Amino acid sequence: IAGITQAPTSQILAAGRRMTLRCTQDMRHNAMYWYRQDLGLGLRLIHYSNTAGTTGKGEVPDGYSVSRANTDDFPLTLASAVPSQTSVYFCASSSTSGGADTQYFGPGTRLTVL
Amino acid sequence: GQNIDQPTEMTATEGAIVQINCTYQTSGFNGLFWYQQHAGEAPTFLSYNVLDGLEEKGRFSSFLSRSKGYSYLLLKELQMKDSASYLCAVAGDDYKLSFGAGTTVTVRA
Repeated sequence: IAGITQAPTSQILAAGRRMTLRCTQDMRHNAMYWYRQDLGLGLRLIHYSNTAGTTGKGEVPDGYSVSRANTDDFPLTLASAVPSQTSVYFCASSSTSGGADTQYFGPGTRLTVL
Repeated sequence: GQNIDQPTEMTATEGAIVQINCTYQTSGFNGLFWYQQHAGEAPTFLSYNVLDGLEEKGRFSSFLSRSKGYSYLLLKELQMKDSASYLCAVAGDDYKLSFGAGTTVTVRA
């Protein structure tokens, strides 16, 4: 079944550790996104990629980095995790980045930083 | 900056109608989306409006007034499975989505 997968499903992490959240899509979508969702704040865009080989900063990029080596994969890395990065992280993709294309979301990763 | 407002919570009875309002002030406008999100799950697409007016899709309808910066999602013939959060999102100048905090709808028997 086509869609977006994320790994891990959940993770508890010690502050200061490095962590990579994985995201893979098989819909051949050009654009991919990373959001965090916090209670009362809604979904906030961390980083995005309009096409393989390019990335851009969203609303809350500090402390996070991304890469887009190919169409399917879009990993999100926390270089040195802090407790304020405790959140639910969603990866999404859309067919294109131009036009208001529908974004399709992965199942999410629940991250707790202690 | 982007400002998108929607009520935090709404409660309604099974079989009833509920209207979820969303007001927005954004840098540019390239459409408004509504997503449904059940607890612990991913958001799923419900509707997209870019022109003024009403879009109907089964039990769900979405309305847009660009001049007023206003949209609503109408849920008719409510069912227990409609208990979820409903997210309003606006595509701005750069086509990136800005989300409201979401409205949690609870359907009572």
